[in-house]
Amino acid sequence: DADVTQTPRNRITKTGKRIMLECSQTKGHDRMYWYRQDPGLGLRLIYYSFDVKDINKGEISDGYSVSRQAQAKFSLSLESAIPNQTALYFCATSDLPSTGFFFGQGTRLTVV
Amino acid sequence: AQSVTQLDSQVPVFEEAPVELRCNYSSSVSVYLFWYVQYPNQGLQLLLKYLSGSTLVKGINGFEAEFNKSQTSFHLRKPSVHISDTAEYFCAVSPPMDSSYKLIFGSGTRLLVRP
Repeated sequence: DADVTQTPRNRITKTGKRIMLECSQTKGHDRMYWYRQDPGLGLRLIYYSFDVKDINKGEISDGYSVSRQAQAKFSLSLESAIPNQTALYFCATSDLPSTGFFFGQGTRLTVV
Repeated sequence: AQSVTQLDSQVPVFEEAPVELRCNYSSSVSVYLFWYVQYPNQGLQLLLKYLSGSTLVKGINGFEAEFNKSQTSFHLRKPSVHISDTAEYFCAVSPPMDSSYKLIFGSGTRLLVRP
């Protein structure tokens, strides 16, 4: 099994719908992150969490919310999806800055 | 604030030729530097990293990178590429004193290896 698992892998949804992307990890790391990837823009940070009680906004948090249900679970929600939220979303975990990040396989989200 | 610039959005190269993917960063403090690779329909995988010490670091799959502090660069190189190296490559920085541990990514370089 993968260390960082994202579900679903692909999702098509309609404008205005609420959608949740889920991430779970077996690494035992406290820090978890949600990034968004767009062609030509690289990866941009949406939210990150140090632990269940500590949630922080990244550079592009507008239109998104998160929930850290447990050390191992970190969910990203789009309250009312819009087409420009069509992107590839990655969850990642980290324990020390020197080790870098461990990424999930990504969720490809299309908002029509 | 830190930023990362990858000047080349796409680099086409023939199989068995050498390749260099360029990365420049901007930071007023020391940073850790990383290169990640993303194969089609997959997540990002760590290629190599520079933390301190020797400026030449070796990674997986025959890749290496050289840290140049004066030029604030961390270019990725491979002496002979294979078709299987076709992927997108991301340079990233992490300020070690930043408690968030977040990574700041460049826009990526797509390496296209042709037979």
